[in-house]
Amino acid sequence: NAGVTQTPKFRVLKTGQSMTLLCAQDMNHEYMYWYRQDPGMGLRLIHYSVGEGTTAKGEVPDGYNVSRLKKQNFLLGLESAAPSQTSVYFCASVRDRAYNEQFFGPGTRLTVL
Amino acid sequence: SQKIEQNSEALNIQEGKTATLTCNYTNYSPAYLQWYRQDPGRGPVFLLLIRENEKEKRKERLKVTFDTTLKQSLFHITASQPADSATYLCALDIAQAGTALIFGKGTTLSVSS
Repeated sequence: NAGVTQTPKFRVLKTGQSMTLLCAQDMNHEYMYWYRQDPGMGLRLIHYSVGEGTTAKGEVPDGYNVSRLKKQNFLLGLESAAPSQTSVYFCASVRDRAYNEQFFGPGTRLTVL
Repeated sequence: SQKIEQNSEALNIQEGKTATLTCNYTNYSPAYLQWYRQDPGRGPVFLLLIRENEKEKRKERLKVTFDTTLKQSLFHITASQPADSATYLCALDIAQAGTALIFGKGTTLSVSS
């Protein structure tokens, strides 16, 4: 099993550009999450999904959209990138409500100039 | 809103000593609390979960306590080793939101030989 993978690992954008971050898991997990991690701020939840076709807002959802069209994939989109979105983005998954351990991906380091 | 604090940003100890990390929370009654380890440039890795009805949980050299009256968890690493040097994150469940977690900012532990 590859676990949780994230694509790309690094990206530099200009203000106003758009991009999609891909998270994939091969563990048949029900729940998936997107976090951002900034120095001094810790991990903050952006959006999450409790199953295929469902999404919900987390703590800091503004400026991001997500989709979960397939159970194994969770996409995070930035429609018009801003410098404030410079961060490290982590995806995580959980098997289901009975198993609470979160499995994290390796992260995507995004810089918006 | 929920608030979670890890009292020390950094903790330096000598090899062989016991490291004790603190996690405090307010305005919430979590069903469980988790501890994760994060190495530089990598995603967090799950270590331990303790439920609200459990006082203590152990795993090898790790021990977690959970005091719901004090709203505090303590994380202990006994016989610490330089390989234990990392950032340790505590996290609370947001029970109504598909096992989503709120994370503390972390404590960076440095173990010197």
